[in-house]
Amino acid sequence: NAGVTQTPKFQVLKTGQSMTLQCAQDMNHEYMSWYRQDPGMGLRLIHYSVGAGITDQGEVPNGYNVSRSTTEDFPLRLLSAAPSQTSVYFCASSSLKQGLAKNIQYFGAGTRLSVL
Amino acid sequence: ILNVEQSPQSLHVQEGDSTNFTCSFPSSNFYALHWYRWETAKSPEALFVMTLNGDEKKKGRISATLNTKEGYSYLYIKGSQPEDSATYLCAPKFGNEKLTFGTGTRLTIIP
Repeated sequence: NAGVTQTPKFQVLKTGQSMTLQCAQDMNHEYMSWYRQDPGMGLRLIHYSVGAGITDQGEVPNGYNVSRSTTEDFPLRLLSAAPSQTSVYFCASSSLKQGLAKNIQYFGAGTRLSVL
Repeated sequence: ILNVEQSPQSLHVQEGDSTNFTCSFPSSNFYALHWYRWETAKSPEALFVMTLNGDEKKKGRISATLNTKEGYSYLYIKGSQPEDSATYLCAPKFGNEKLTFGTGTRLTIIP
């Protein structure tokens, strides 16, 4: 079972560059989300989606774009990278069958991003 | 931004000893609480989802309790083993908000 697959695992960018972090899940989950993990802070929600064609902002959306053209894929785009976006990024997915509150989230392995 | 506190931030426990740590959260508008275990260089994995006041969940040597009226959950590990070394995250859900993750308790088991 592949579960949630994130690519790349590591990336170094220069300030101002753009890039896309890829996330794919093979569990037919309706809900997908992106988090960032910074030292001393909990996982913070960037953007989320409850189904194909539907996306919404989380707690820290500025500087990031998402789209959900298929159930399986939920890419995260950095439009113009800044040093403040240096972080570890996690993609997660969840079924909505019992509602988001009760359904556990499955996480990808993470992408470690450095912006110089 | 909802305040979710986990204590202690880090903990060193001798192999074989039992331990517990706390997740505190606002008690109003509570829906559910998730516990995740996060090993270094891996991704978080779900341990428990609890929704009702007084809920108790158990998975092997790990168990959790929930008090929604006072806003806390305890995670217990009985007879700690080296493979229990990880960061343990709690994530409550309130009202229409998404899961709010705490900063975690980093547990190190000393052989």
